[in-house]
Amino acid sequence: GQNIDQPTEMTATEGAIVQINCTYQTSGFNGLFWYQQHAGEAPTFLSYNVLDGLEEKGRFSSFLSRSKGYSYLLLKELQMKDSASYLCAPNTNAGKSTFGDGTTLTVKP
Amino acid sequence: DGGITQSPKYLFRKEGQNVTLSCEQNLNHDAMYWYRQDPGQGLRLIYYSQIVNDFQKGDIAEGYSVSREKKESFPLTVTSAQKNPTAFYLCASRQRGVSSGANVLTFGAGSRLTVL
Repeated sequence: GQNIDQPTEMTATEGAIVQINCTYQTSGFNGLFWYQQHAGEAPTFLSYNVLDGLEEKGRFSSFLSRSKGYSYLLLKELQMKDSASYLCAPNTNAGKSTFGDGTTLTVKP
Repeated sequence: DGGITQSPKYLFRKEGQNVTLSCEQNLNHDAMYWYRQDPGQGLRLIYYSQIVNDFQKGDIAEGYSVSREKKESFPLTVTSAQKNPTAFYLCASRQRGVSSGANVLTFGAGSRLTVL
């Protein structure tokens, strides 16, 4: 099985930077996804890391350390529309795709 | 446009009734997934299927059933054995493969089931 841990809630100010951490324990690990989900909507893909290191994509970056079972999502220049849940999802070789409980981010003016 | 269609978007059910949620994709994806989401919670995996005529239980399969007779279709039946079925149900699909892009899940818009 998989054990995925993320903070439940975070609050940040518009224009700031926020880091959302995720730790996981899983067998057959084959990369880690981050998804964004606005209330009442389906999740949308943000990033995918399979190798150790930092992947940058515009205002969003994601980091992975396979040996530590650790990832983080970094959001820069926060905007009000970034208020959403952020879901960490380790991928496995067996095709099973499970999610953490998500981190609800509130961006305040 | 390619995508995943879930229907109905909203569904009300009386206790003791079975109900089937539809999920259709025209992305030619091999793998399909069903998730349940309760308010303020993450996604929990119910069932998944990597090829036609084969599927596996996820973490919360009890009270649910699925079939995968066609590549594009993966319906979910919520049976009367599911004690607390009121939830938001999401269907997803992805291609199987070794490239990173192949593993990204594409989600449908979801079906919200309420038991009266």
